Amino acid sequence: DAGITQSPRHKVTETGTPVTLRCHQTENHRYMYWYRQDPGHGLRLIHYSYGVKDTDKGEVSDGYSVSRSKTEDFLLTLESATSSQTSVYFCAISGPLIQETQYFGPGTRLLVL
Amino acid sequence: KNQVEQSPQSLIILEGKNCTLQCNYTVSPFSNLRWYKQDTGRGPVSLTIMTFSENTKSNGRYTATLDADTKQSSLHITASQLSDSASYICVVSASDYKLSFGAGTTVTVRA
Repeated sequence: DAGITQSPRHKVTETGTPVTLRCHQTENHRYMYWYRQDPGHGLRLIHYSYGVKDTDKGEVSDGYSVSRSKTEDFLLTLESATSSQTSVYFCAISGPLIQETQYFGPGTRLLVL
Repeated sequence: KNQVEQSPQSLIILEGKNCTLQCNYTVSPFSNLRWYKQDTGRGPVSLTIMTFSENTKSNGRYTATLDADTKQSSLHITASQLSDSASYICVVSASDYKLSFGAGTTVTVRA
């Protein structure tokens, strides 16, 4: 998985609780992304980062926030988890240019009860 | 709105047989098209990438074709193996580098 790890790999939480997912890379790539994958949908971009402390919203960013304080770590926070955020979350990296192939992590399966 | 449609949604083939997956897109302006393979419980892995000027790209038993005029691509799997059982995702990049993902085709190879 191209030097990308995600933690936790599985999580069950309750509605209304905050949740943080972590993506860690050892490739020193500039760009990092968070996607969600749901049945019947393609991967949808939540947020992405183009450098330390530089982030931007994707197409499904409502209810999510991100932070990148180091090149290797990109955190995704569900501020107040809802059942609609039950999904599989993938982190991806690319670089040094944005048009390079994205490499995906193993995913985090999140269930919000 | 940029869209990527894949067909069929799923298919079952016998080991050793060939199959072809389809991808139609409306992404404009077009930059490139990638096919990814996603094994169950894993992240997607890139198989091929094609730019506007390329109409065929191979990676082992996987051959992708692109018709930029009709905005169609196909992925052909030759002599399928059990390890080819996976979801195959078509991803189209616009010139602003934004990616549009298809929902994928699930391929099941049976012995």
